[in-house]
Amino acid sequence: GAVVSQHPSRVICKSGTSVKIECRSLDFQATTMFWYRQFPKQSLMLMATSNEGSKATYEQGVEKDKFLINHASLTLSTLTVTSAHPEDSSFYICSALGRNYNEQFFGPGTRLTVL
Amino acid sequence: AQSVTQLDSHVSVSEGTPVLLRCNYSSSYSPSLFWYVQHPNKGLQLLLKYTSAATLVKGINGFEAEFKKSETSFHLTKPSAHMSDAAEYFCVVRRAGGTSYGKLTFGQGTILTVHP
Repeated sequence: GAVVSQHPSRVICKSGTSVKIECRSLDFQATTMFWYRQFPKQSLMLMATSNEGSKATYEQGVEKDKFLINHASLTLSTLTVTSAHPEDSSFYICSALGRNYNEQFFGPGTRLTVL
Repeated sequence: AQSVTQLDSHVSVSEGTPVLLRCNYSSSYSPSLFWYVQHPNKGLQLLLKYTSAATLVKGINGFEAEFKKSETSFHLTKPSAHMSDAAEYFCVVRRAGGTSYGKLTFGQGTILTVHP
């Protein structure tokens, strides 16, 4: 089956620093990748959709300049949380959609804690 | 617009008894529907999906769901709960057309607890 990895799985950083999270499709080419955010005891909220080689499309209320998304290749998308603050602490999950699939495959998630 | 409502935030059952997790949806387009399971601090795993074929869908680990268009429901069931089924379950709708093609909308989640 299709596998999606995320790195790191867990990160703790100081307020004001930037953190980069990687999402990789390991055995397929992902034409589209999605980034979600999940607060404790809540559901997943879509943050943005990225297509390889083009700018990401952000959902309403998501700050483009704070959550930078780059989808430079068909197997890699990155989410950079810039100038992180404690309220950015959350579980970030990516998913990938390949050409030959009709479902999204999810990564294991990255838990970000901002002190 | 599309939305998903999971009618129970928590469901508690005894091991060996049936499981019912309820989900209602609304969608302007013919939707695809999914159930995902999330164990603590783990990624999402697909249990089953409905994509306009058979209305009764069988998934992994003995789960199944029935798509009922007249009731706009997609309830998840399992005849006999196992301790390993304890997790959080998400009902998800995917838009099939329009400018938001492919986007997933998640329900609020239902936490399933299984007692010995």
